[in-house]
Amino acid sequence: DTGVSQDPRHKITKRGQNVTFRCDPISEHNRLYWYRQTLGQGPEFLTYFQNEAQLEKSRLLSDRFSAERPKGSFSTLEIQRTEQGDSAMYLCASSLLTDQETQYFGPGTRLLVL
Amino acid sequence: EDKVVQSPLSLVVHEGDTVTLNCSYEVTNFRSLLWYKQEKKAPTFLFMLTSSGIEKKSGRLSSILDKKELFSILNITATQTGDSAVYLCAAPGNNRKLIWGLGTSLAVNP
Repeated sequence: DTGVSQDPRHKITKRGQNVTFRCDPISEHNRLYWYRQTLGQGPEFLTYFQNEAQLEKSRLLSDRFSAERPKGSFSTLEIQRTEQGDSAMYLCASSLLTDQETQYFGPGTRLLVL
Repeated sequence: EDKVVQSPLSLVVHEGDTVTLNCSYEVTNFRSLLWYKQEKKAPTFLFMLTSSGIEKKSGRLSSILDKKELFSILNITATQTGDSAVYLCAAPGNNRKLIWGLGTSLAVNP
């Protein structure tokens, strides 16, 4: 399977715990995006990378959220001191630098904070 | 502020019906508009539209863009229960991050 993959697919955690999600983009894709989606809403942009450089971070992203893409391949999204409001589907997408508009999504990680 | 607005928000039809989903947009430096289908998982790519008046077609699905009136439609003919999903419309904004509509939730009843 050469699509975008995400791990884990589901995560249940207690409030205050830290969680980390991983995204493996399509191998030749330079750009990698993180989105968050709650029920009944379209995906909400969080941050994106071009290769290993994090080029933009949403104002909506609090300091508890951090993302990395150290070697320009896979990326991790960490949420520290989780809150119940962090419960959502976290989506990763990737695109080619030469076709940036077409973003391909992974299956998502569904987070539930109790 | 850039925005994408979809209508209707939800739609219930019977198998075999034809549906038309609408997406209007206001995006600075518009480049393209994308349609995705989302079932109980991540969005799957359907179409990317960049030019007015050129219909894109895939099986029973088709879509067209009107850059003068700033909207796009997605048509599904001879609907099947497997078409039941949320259909999302999005347009790349600054730095290509996608600006999303709220989606149209389509339910196709047998």
